[in-house]
Amino acid sequence: GAGVSQSPSNKVTEKGKDVELRCDPISGHTALYWYRQSLGQGLEFLIYFQGNSAPDKSGLPSDRFSAERTGGSVSTLTIQRTQQEDSAVYLCASSSPGQRTNEQYFGPGTRLTVT
Amino acid sequence: AQTVTQSQPEMSVQEAETVTLSCTYDTSESDYYLFWYKQPPSRQMILVIRQEAYKQQNATENRFSVNFQKAAKSFSLKISDSQLGDAAMYFCAYRLNAGGTSYGKLTFGQGTILTVHP
Repeated sequence: GAGVSQSPSNKVTEKGKDVELRCDPISGHTALYWYRQSLGQGLEFLIYFQGNSAPDKSGLPSDRFSAERTGGSVSTLTIQRTQQEDSAVYLCASSSPGQRTNEQYFGPGTRLTVT
Repeated sequence: AQTVTQSQPEMSVQEAETVTLSCTYDTSESDYYLFWYKQPPSRQMILVIRQEAYKQQNATENRFSVNFQKAAKSFSLKISDSQLGDAAMYFCAYRLNAGGTSYGKLTFGQGTILTVHP
C-alpha cells in the first residue's frame, strides 16, 4: 500500500512569508507526528495528533508554528513569518497506536529553505 | 526528560566487515521502546530494528543486531557483513510506552554517519 507522502518535496521561500507543508498519512493510521531535522538541533519532535484527542503541541518552537489535521487524515503544518532558522527538513510520520509496537512510518520530508 | 546520546558523529567500515554504533539514553521510566532508524540520502527514515525494554533478549534482524544493556542504559547496533547499501545516517531513538503526553513521540540521538568502503 501507499506510504506516508509529503508535499512539496522542496520549498524555497523569502523571510517573512508564510508556508504550508502537507502530510498524507498511511490510510487507517490514527496517529500523526511532525518532526524537524536541522543541522543545529538534530531531529526534534514538533507536534502529535491522535484521533480526536487534543494534539500534543509541546514541541512547537514558537507561536509562528501551527498544525491542523482535517478529518483525521491529512495534516498541514503552517509556519508564519518564516525566519532563516526555520530552514530544515520537516518530516511527517504516522502510526497505528492500537498496536503495542506503535511503529512510526516516515514520509520523505519537505526541505524548507528560507532566504 | 528523556535524552538520547550518540557519541560517534561518524564511523566507517570496510565492506563485509562488522561495525558497532553506540547509543546511550537516560530515562526514569521502565516501559519503553528503543529503535534504530536508517536515513539514506533520500531522507526516507527506515526502521532497522526495535527493542522493547521488558525483553531481555537482544533483537536481531538479519545482519543487524543490538546489544541492549538496560541497567547501563546502553543500546548499540551491530551491523555484520556490511554492504555498500548500509551507508547512511543512523539514528537511535527512544519512545515511552505509557499513556500521557509523551506517548508515541520519538526522542532521537544526534545521528551517526556510516561510510562503507568497498
